[in-house]
Amino acid sequence: AQTVTQSQPEMSVQEAETVTLSCTYDTSESNYYLFWYKQPPSRQMILVIRQEAYKQQNATENRFSVNFQKAAKSFSLKISDSQLGDTAMYFCAFMTGSGNTGKLIFGQGTTLQVKP
Amino acid sequence: EAQVTQNPRYLITVTGKKLTVTCSQNMNHEYMSWYRQDPGLGLRQIYYSMNVEVTDKGDVPEGYKVSRKEKRNFPLILESPSPNQTSLYFCASSLKTGSPGFFGPGTRLTVL
Repeated sequence: AQTVTQSQPEMSVQEAETVTLSCTYDTSESNYYLFWYKQPPSRQMILVIRQEAYKQQNATENRFSVNFQKAAKSFSLKISDSQLGDTAMYFCAFMTGSGNTGKLIFGQGTTLQVKP
Repeated sequence: EAQVTQNPRYLITVTGKKLTVTCSQNMNHEYMSWYRQDPGLGLRQIYYSMNVEVTDKGDVPEGYKVSRKEKRNFPLILESPSPNQTSLYFCASSLKTGSPGFFGPGTRLTVL
């Protein structure tokens, strides 16, 4: 069975600095998707970034980028130039890409606080 | 405005009293799913649906039912709620699998 692990329950960063959130996963599949979601205090879940396993190039969305290490089964999120609005809980998630299944597995989450 | 709506947003009920949480999306999405969020456990998938009349179990389906009779709606039914189903529930949708990007606002359920 697939698992997703976020080993950092809480992190903090100073405004304008860079922070990296860790995520590891376990799967025997070669085709899958990985996601990072943001959940601010409003509780709304927001898709931040998406990575397809067959793509070697790391995904980037403005100040958010990932370091996807397929062999190591690692999928970290880097937030550059941190802003106060980045304060939120961040979830890493895995979805298989084979068999047309819609199962989505989340990590436990990392609470990020951006300090002024 | 493209959105996923859930009702009710907050619900306090008692053990054994059947309830339904509705979920509706206006984007003609094929894929819909339900999750529960509990502290320290992240989000866990309850059920998902790839299209009308096609549903499948997620990781924690016990005690829940779903139906997908029309594309836009995907209600979550608790036939006999128990206190361990107290949680924050999210519905989500996407055009296809591979990117369940649209989440509803969440339903806070308390079962006494």
